[in-house]
Amino acid sequence: NAGVTQTPKFQVLKTGQSMTLQCAQDMNHNSMYWYRQDPGMGLRLIYYSASEGTTDKGEVPNGYNVSRLNKREFSLRLESAAPSQTSVYFCASSEGKNRGRYGYTFGSGTRLTVV
Amino acid sequence: DAKTTQPTSMDCAEGRAANLPCNHSTISGNEYVYWYRQIHSQGPQYIIHGLKNNETNEMASLIITEDRKSSTLILPHATLRDTAVYYCIVSAYSGAGSYQLTFGKGTKLSVIP
Repeated sequence: NAGVTQTPKFQVLKTGQSMTLQCAQDMNHNSMYWYRQDPGMGLRLIYYSASEGTTDKGEVPNGYNVSRLNKREFSLRLESAAPSQTSVYFCASSEGKNRGRYGYTFGSGTRLTVV
Repeated sequence: DAKTTQPTSMDCAEGRAANLPCNHSTISGNEYVYWYRQIHSQGPQYIIHGLKNNETNEMASLIITEDRKSSTLILPHATLRDTAVYYCIVSAYSGAGSYQLTFGKGTKLSVIP
């Protein structure tokens, strides 16, 4: 089982460029999340999607947009990348209702550098 | 969501039990306690969660005090592969079909040979 798959694994962008980070899960989970993690810090929630067709802002949404394309896929878009968005981005999914026995399942991350 | 307090770092001898404490004195009645860990720069891994009863699974045990203001994660026989940052999180179901986890800085556990 693949779990949560993130692409790409690494990316270097120039300031002002745009890109979309892709995330897909194969566990039939209802909820999906995007986090960022800066060096030496915990994870901060950017956006989440409680269920297909809904999205909501998290703690640090500025500079990002998301799309819940279908139940499996949840993408994160940087419209005009800034150096402050240099970070490791993690996608996660969960059953949502009743929490699920296994909590969140995280992907392996996308390491993004904006120069 | 309630805030948690964890020690910045801890050491544990290989083969011994690792006991990781967490304070969550402002936890409310409907908030669960979750534990995750992050090995090196990988994605966080779910360990265990509970509401008020002690819980055990194949990875660890979770002991929650009767007043629910603190908890302890126990790794019964720590190995070198358990070296990681451990996050204690409290969160409530949002009612919108989801719940959000807020990660602090966690406890850096080093298992010593």
